[in-house]
Amino acid sequence: KQEVTQIPAALSVPEGENLVLNCSFTDSAIYNLQWFRQDPGKGLTSLLLIQSSQREQTSGRLNASLDKSSGRSTLYIAASQPGDSATYLCAVRPLDSSYKLIFGSGTRLLVRP
Amino acid sequence: DAGVIQSPRHEVTEMGQEVTLRCKPISGHDYLFWYRQTMMRGLELLIYFNNNVPIDDSGMPEDRFSAKMPNASFSTLKIQPSEPRDSAVYFCASSPSPDRNYGYTFGSGTRLTVV
Repeated sequence: KQEVTQIPAALSVPEGENLVLNCSFTDSAIYNLQWFRQDPGKGLTSLLLIQSSQREQTSGRLNASLDKSSGRSTLYIAASQPGDSATYLCAVRPLDSSYKLIFGSGTRLLVRP
Repeated sequence: DAGVIQSPRHEVTEMGQEVTLRCKPISGHDYLFWYRQTMMRGLELLIYFNNNVPIDDSGMPEDRFSAKMPNASFSTLKIQPSEPRDSAVYFCASSPSPDRNYGYTFGSGTRLTVV
C-alpha cells in the first residue's frame, strides 16, 4: 500500500532564506508526483507536476526533484517570501489502474518578515 | 477558464439533514474526483468519474454518501442523513486525462459542518 510522508510537519524560516521541503513515498511504481499549495481555508493550487521519467521541474523560484528509485521528492523554494507561507502537499499517482492521488499530510510553512 | 467551481463554500446543517454539494468541472476535462479533507485523515479520494460514469467509489465511507454526474458539466455529492463525523472540507477536482500525465485542478472546496 502506497504511503506518502512529508517532513517536517511545520517549518518557520526568516524571509530570504532558501528552503527544502521533503516528500517520501513507499512504492516507486508511480505515474507522477505533484506538489500543491494550500492556503488556510482555501483549496489546493497545483505548483509542479513531475512525470515518472523526469528528474525535476522548475517554475519561477520553485524547483521540484524526483528520485523515483529511492522514493523521494524535494521542493526547493529560493529566496522565500512571507507570501510563500502556506501548507505544501505532495501527492503521488500510483501506476496501478487507479487514478487516485495519494497525499502526504503536508508541511506547514511560515516565512517571517 | 473559471476553474473548478464548487458550491456552496460553507454549509452548516443539523444532524440528520440531507446535504448536497455541487461541482462544475473545467470544460473538456473527462475526469472528475471528489476528495474529503479532515485533520485526522488528511485528503482522501471518495469517488471519481470518467465521462460521467462512476469508476471507483471504494472511498465512499457509507451508504449515506452518494454521488452523481448527470452531464459533463455538473456533479453532486449527497449525504443523507448527515452526521457530525461528516464534518470536513470536500473538494472536487478535474483532469483532462490522467493517462497522459496531466495534473489535477482542484476547486476551492465546501466546508461542511454538521451540528
